[in-house]
Amino acid sequence: DAGVIQSPRHEVTEMGQEVTLRCKPISGHNSLFWYRQTMMRGLELLIYFNNNVPIDDSGMPEDRFSAKMPNASFSTLKIQPSEPRDSAVYFCASSRKAGALSGANVLTFGAGSRLTVL
Amino acid sequence: GNSVTQMEGPVTLSEEAFLTINCTYTATGYPSLFWYVQYPGEGLQLLLKATKADDKGSNKGFEATYRKETTSFHLEKGSVQVSDSAVYFCALGDSNYQLIWGAGTKLIIKP
Repeated sequence: DAGVIQSPRHEVTEMGQEVTLRCKPISGHNSLFWYRQTMMRGLELLIYFNNNVPIDDSGMPEDRFSAKMPNASFSTLKIQPSEPRDSAVYFCASSRKAGALSGANVLTFGAGSRLTVL
Repeated sequence: GNSVTQMEGPVTLSEEAFLTINCTYTATGYPSLFWYVQYPGEGLQLLLKATKADDKGSNKGFEATYRKETTSFHLEKGSVQVSDSAVYFCALGDSNYQLIWGAGTKLIIKP
């Protein structure tokens, strides 16, 4: 298994530009998470999908952020327009949703997309 | 609400030293507890977990015991190596999907 695949690994853009981050979860995993990691705020859950449906988007900072999961093998996180304060590492993670004792909460993370907005 | 508190880093040790990274939690019910590790430039990966009181999770020489009486899940390793240098995150399973994360503890091992 290739694990969770994220692209791009690094993105440098200018303020106001649109940014699209991509994620391919592990096959068979039906839960997908987008996290943001910064030194100041640590790990923040942005959005959680189950079976391609957004279940919890309470962590999405504002309307500039949107996420989609059109099918079980692909998700995007879009920022439009981007701002310097969006600079962070964005992680996608997936898990096999199961009972609390068997699989839930065990996340497999991608390598992350490091975003720098100038 | 539920929360996780980790000891602040960085923690700097010499190779072969004994490691303890403290983690305490506040939770209702009986959550699962986790340690994840993040190596430089990589995503987080599960190190070990425990799903009920007195369970001991172990992996790669690391251990942690779920202590309900002290609400703790301290990470230990008897003899650390340079390759253990990373950031370690303690986490609590809040629901079927939500994880409550500690702030992370950076571990630096010197040869």
